[in-house]
Amino acid sequence: DAKTTQPTSMDCAEGRAANLPCNHSTISGNEYVYWYRQIHSQGPQYIIHGLKNNETNEMASLIITEDRKSSTLILPHATLRDTAVYYCIVRVPLVASGTYKYIFGTGTRLKVLA
Amino acid sequence: NAGVTQTPKFRILKIGQSMTLQCAQDMNHNYMYWYRQDPGMGLKLIYYSVGAGITDKGEVPNGYNVSRSTTEDFPLRLELAAPSQTSVYFCASSYSSSHEQFFGPGTRLTVL
Repeated sequence: DAKTTQPTSMDCAEGRAANLPCNHSTISGNEYVYWYRQIHSQGPQYIIHGLKNNETNEMASLIITEDRKSSTLILPHATLRDTAVYYCIVRVPLVASGTYKYIFGTGTRLKVLA
Repeated sequence: NAGVTQTPKFRILKIGQSMTLQCAQDMNHNYMYWYRQDPGMGLKLIYYSVGAGITDKGEVPNGYNVSRSTTEDFPLRLELAAPSQTSVYFCASSYSSSHEQFFGPGTRLTVL
């Protein structure tokens, strides 16, 4: 019941921007989009999140379409160390507890080429 | 801070054996989570806890049990291990329900 769809893999040249797309056409109005990455089967690492506005931090930018059905993670200057699996995640509420759960998709394997 | 730590890193179990996967965090986070990741897939939530003494089931809780007697520790118990439980297990914690989750390095479990 994944709520996100991502390309299986992408390549990007070192120093160029990496643009990773994600479709989440069934997202509800109060559900956030999160991005994490996983390097060499380590624990996932938080990158960025957003609801409907574009967001930027020191790692990346997140562009969310106005209808919220898709988003793009942008790594502005990809390096070899950015090679990883990138997960686009929808955070949904767990009504009984007042907390949230992450629904992971299968991720995009990004390979940054020298 | 060590962050989220997990032990052991690797384990091989025989069918029907039991074991406990340990998870600890030193960030004073109230929220803790257990996930499993099968090959080529995203993570699925097994159990979670919103504070000491409070736990609840996630998406795939069958075959597992948890306890949360302290804020720092959140062990996951496997009873009667089955081959379907072969997976990588990740523990995570967060300051609150709306903050990002910090993940541990994982435990790779094989059941033969």
